[in-house]
Amino acid sequence: GAVVSQHPSWVICKSGTSVKIECRSLDFQATTMFWYRQFPKQSLMLMATSNEGSKATYEQGVEKDKFLINHASLTLSTLTVTSAHPEDSSFYICSARDGTSGIVGNEQYFGPGTRLTVT
Amino acid sequence: AQSVTQLDSQVPVFEEAPVELRCNYSSSVSVYLFWYVQYPNQGLQLLLKYLSGSTLVKGINGFEAEFNKSQTSFHLRKPSVHISDTAEYFCAVTLNSGYSTLTFGKGTMLLVSP
Repeated sequence: GAVVSQHPSWVICKSGTSVKIECRSLDFQATTMFWYRQFPKQSLMLMATSNEGSKATYEQGVEKDKFLINHASLTLSTLTVTSAHPEDSSFYICSARDGTSGIVGNEQYFGPGTRLTVT
Repeated sequence: AQSVTQLDSQVPVFEEAPVELRCNYSSSVSVYLFWYVQYPNQGLQLLLKYLSGSTLVKGINGFEAEFNKSQTSFHLRKPSVHISDTAEYFCAVTLNSGYSTLTFGKGTMLLVSP
């Protein structure tokens, strides 16, 4: 149980185009989803927290107009990188919290990640 | 705010040797603690977690960790490592009251050689 998928697993796009990454909880309802960014050989940096049906909360320094997050259902959140540039190239990982498990543990289940390369 | 320190960026070890990956945390309130493993180009997999109760926590793949409140540590151990344990290991902390976000350490690369 508690499986989170991401699509695509990797994407190459040209500078100036937009890319959408999907994050799905396959066997549970995710009231909260998180988006992280990870640079090579570094830790995960939280970009934003999204709750189903409401606007995402972005961490300081993350451009909300560049990284559009939508959490329209209890099983799907999307991250759209708008007008992507080479510096946006990174590994993007989503995670989801099971809304029915209560607050014990605050456990997050992670997706496999999406490798974005902007040329 | 809470923080996590993983002092060792890389730990080389020979196969079948024991290993300890260190993690220290800082928080003014009680926390939950986690260890995650990340294989190349993959997401994070939960190894184990400490919520409450016994300070010795056993996880998957033969790993265990011990919560030490006085030393604010949560070191990860394995008595005998395999080549397949080569991966990046992240320690993380979250507040134990209400919903809160995870704070990760910088990670420790475990390199197991034959």
